[in-house]
Amino acid sequence: DAMVIQNPRYQVTQFGKPVTLSCSQTLNHNVMYWYQQKSSQAPKLLFHYYDKDFNNEADTPDNFQSRRPNTSFCFLDIRSPGLGDAAMYLCATSRRWTGSGEAFFGQGTRLTVV
Amino acid sequence: DQQVKQNSPSLSVQEGRISILNCDYTNSMFDYFLWYKKYPAEGPTFLISISSIKDKNEDGRFTVFLNKSAKHLSLHIVPSQPGDSAVYFCAASGNAGNMLTFGGGTRLMVKP
Repeated sequence: DAMVIQNPRYQVTQFGKPVTLSCSQTLNHNVMYWYQQKSSQAPKLLFHYYDKDFNNEADTPDNFQSRRPNTSFCFLDIRSPGLGDAAMYLCATSRRWTGSGEAFFGQGTRLTVV
Repeated sequence: DQQVKQNSPSLSVQEGRISILNCDYTNSMFDYFLWYKKYPAEGPTFLISISSIKDKNEDGRFTVFLNKSAKHLSLHIVPSQPGDSAVYFCAASGNAGNMLTFGGGTRLMVKP
C-alpha cells in the first residue's frame, strides 16, 4: 500500500501559469520534504517541514512556495513556472528530525512546462 | 559544491556476478549513509543504510562498506539479478537533521 502519495503523476503547465503539486502520507511522520530532480542529477532539497515549522533551503527560488495544512498533506506551489522548472518533484517523509533515519519517497510528479 | 559524489554514471554487470557501486563524500559531519534504488517513473526506495560507527552492514544480497578515513562507501550486490537494474543513489545525513544530501546516481544494468 502506498504510504506517500503524490498527485498528479504527470503535470503539464503553461509558462507562467501557477501550478500546485500535492503530497499526502499515511505514515504520520513529523517531517515532510520536497525535492526537485532534474535529469541525471541528484535530487535537490527545496524545503521541509518539521510539523508546522517551515524550513527553506537558502538557494530555493522565491517562485517556489509550500503549504502544510495538516500532518498528512503538503503542497508545492510554483507561482510562475519557467522552462527551467521542468523536473521531477519528489515528496518524502521521515519520522525523526535529529539523528538518522530513512526517508520514504512518493512516486514523484513529473512537471512539464510548455 | 557537490558533497556526495558518485563518479560512475553507469555500470553494466552480468547476471550472477558482483555489482560494486561507489560513493565519495566530502563533509566530515555526515554520520549516516543510505542507498536508495530508483526505477523509472517511480520515487526512490530505501535499500540499506550504515551508521558511521560501523564499517559494514549486510542485508541479504546487499552489503554496504564504509571507509571513514577515505570518506568512501560502496554498495555490493551479490549475486546481481536483472531485477536489480535501476538507478542507485547514495545519500548522507548529519547531525543537523534528517535532511539527505544525494549523489548524482549510478545506473546499474544487469544483463541476463
